[in-house]
Amino acid sequence: EPEVTQTPSHQVTQMGQEVILRCVPISNHLYFYWYRQILGQKVEFLVSFYNNEISEKSEIFDDQFSVERPDGSNFTLKIRSTKLEDSAMYFCASSEAQTGVYNEQFFGPGTRLTVL
Amino acid sequence: AQSVAQPEDQVNVAEGNPLTVKCTYSVSGNPYLFWYVQYPNRGLQFLLKYITGDNLVKGSYGFEAEFNKSQTSFHLKKPSALVSDSALYFCAVRDTLNTGNQFYFGTGTSLTVIP
Repeated sequence: EPEVTQTPSHQVTQMGQEVILRCVPISNHLYFYWYRQILGQKVEFLVSFYNNEISEKSEIFDDQFSVERPDGSNFTLKIRSTKLEDSAMYFCASSEAQTGVYNEQFFGPGTRLTVL
Repeated sequence: AQSVAQPEDQVNVAEGNPLTVKCTYSVSGNPYLFWYVQYPNRGLQFLLKYITGDNLVKGSYGFEAEFNKSQTSFHLKKPSALVSDSALYFCAVRDTLNTGNQFYFGTGTSLTVIP
């Protein structure tokens, strides 16, 4: 069964450093998403991406965040200058069509980001 | 505003007994409702969804959920729990009045099935 994959599984970085979290969505999917979950809190939406551009973003997704689909398979989340409060589990997801109309989102296993 | 509440952080149930994991929601329009399960070191796995139609929806691994509009609830159920059902369960909602794609998640409920 096709799966969304994410690398690395755990990333430790110093405050102020840039990090790139990588995701490989399911190959025939068209919509891509990033969510995050701070320990003990809700899973929160960050951004959705379709047709090589951001289709929606939350208040969390400020100027220090960016997303890119650099090739036909990868989908990345970049945090330019990490803060302590960016420590969280980051989930990538993908879906065939706009969720809620037809299809559920498929999630990766997550990347745990620890900012020291 | 859209939100999801999972009032129980932890649910314990004996193997073979029925299980219920509770979820209530708040949306502006009509809800699209989803349940996901997360096993250790794995991503969120889709279990079932309610879009329209029958209030009782059946999903993977013998799970089902009942949509109750008057109580704004979408509780997850299984008639007979297995030890392998032990995992973290997330309820999610999408608001039909929200033109975006995002899900709103609950905080998750950790289910432990005791042998």
